Order: sequence, then C-alpha cells, then structure tokens
Amino acid sequence: LAKTTQPISMDSYEGQEVNITCSHNNIATNDYITWYQQFPSQGPRFIIQGYKTKVTNEVASLFIPADRKSSTLSLPRVSLSDTAVYYCLVGNQGGKLIFGQGTELSVKP
Amino acid sequence: NAGVTQTPKFRVLKTGQSMTLLCAQDMNHEYMYWYRQDPGMGLRLIHYSVGEGTTAKGEVPDGYNVSRLKKQNFLLGLESAAPSQTSVYFCASSYSTGAGQQNTEAFFGQGTRLTVV
Repeated sequence: LAKTTQPISMDSYEGQEVNITCSHNNIATNDYITWYQQFPSQGPRFIIQGYKTKVTNEVASLFIPADRKSSTLSLPRVSLSDTAVYYCLVGNQGGKLIFGQGTELSVKP
Repeated sequence: NAGVTQTPKFRVLKTGQSMTLLCAQDMNHEYMYWYRQDPGMGLRLIHYSVGEGTTAKGEVPDGYNVSRLKKQNFLLGLESAAPSQTSVYFCASSYSTGAGQQNTEAFFGQGTRLTVV
C-alpha cells in the first residue's frame, strides 16, 4: 500500500506559481499518480493523472522524476479561486481510492 | 446527465436511530465508493464496490453496511447511529478502463451532512 506524504498547508499570492510536492517512496511499478482538488463544502474534483515525466492539462502540470518516488503538482499563476485542499493519490489499490490528509493551499490577494 | 447524486443532503439523527444514505450515478460506472470526512480532515474510505452485487471494506467500515443491488445505486446504512458518526459523507463513482491503464478519476457527489445527537 503506497503511502503519500504532503505538506499540511501552503500559502501563496495571486499570480504566483505554486508547486505542491508529494512523496510516495513505496510506489509500485504499475501505480499511477493522481491529484484532486477540494473546495469547502464540495466533493473532491479530479485534476490530473500521470505515470512518469510530465503531464499538462488546462488546469495544472504534473512533474514526476525518473525514480517516481515523488511528484509535484504545479499550478500556474494562481488566483483566489484556487484556494482549496489538494490531495495526492497513488495507484488504485485494487479498486480502492485512498486519500491522505491533503495540502491546504491558501491564496492571498 | 446528473452525475453522482446523494440523498439526503442533510440529516439529524438521534443516537441509536438507523438510516440509509442513497447514492445514484447515471454514468454507467463500475466502481462506487463511500467516504466520510470529519472537520479539517481528509477523506476516509468506508466501503467500496467494484461492480453490481459486490462490496468490500475500506479503511473505516465499522458501524456501516452497504449494498449494491443495482449498478447505478450504492446504499450506505447506519444500523445504530452514534455521535462519532457525525460527519460529511461523500459518494463517488469511477469507470473501468479495462486492462492496462489504471483509472483513478472518480466523480463525487455533493455530500450528505449527518449529525448524530
């Protein structure tokens, strides 16, 4: 069971790039890395998924080094509306989706 | 296309009462999940299902039961509610991609806020 470790909280200002790193030292060969975003009083929302190197979509980029023991979610030019909790998940655990504590991102004006 | 719908949105129970939370999805997804989220905490998996007629325990299954009689519905039951079960409950569903790529893209409902007094 791959365990993930993320910072509990981060602060940023509008317009800055935010990088949130997740450690997953015992990631399995077949595991994918997935990130979710959760706003207060809402269910989590899928952001991005990757296996290796770099993945980019309209919302974020995901950087995964060659050893895959960590990954970094990059949010370009954040705004106040990016204030949320961000979760890193690894693998599908045979059907399970296990969420960790997440990183609470606070974007200030 | 409603996605994932949870019923009810709010509920207050007295200790010892029972209730069933309903989750319905219209995306023909194979996998369905029930989570609970306590204030300031992450989501914890209660039970999940990988297909119609199957269920399995998650991280915190005690005090809950589930059933998946129809593919589109996943029911969460509390037989004898306790104050410790006061929480926000989220249902989610995801699709199977078949052999090869894992699927970790799940779609969540809006949540059910349950208070047990």
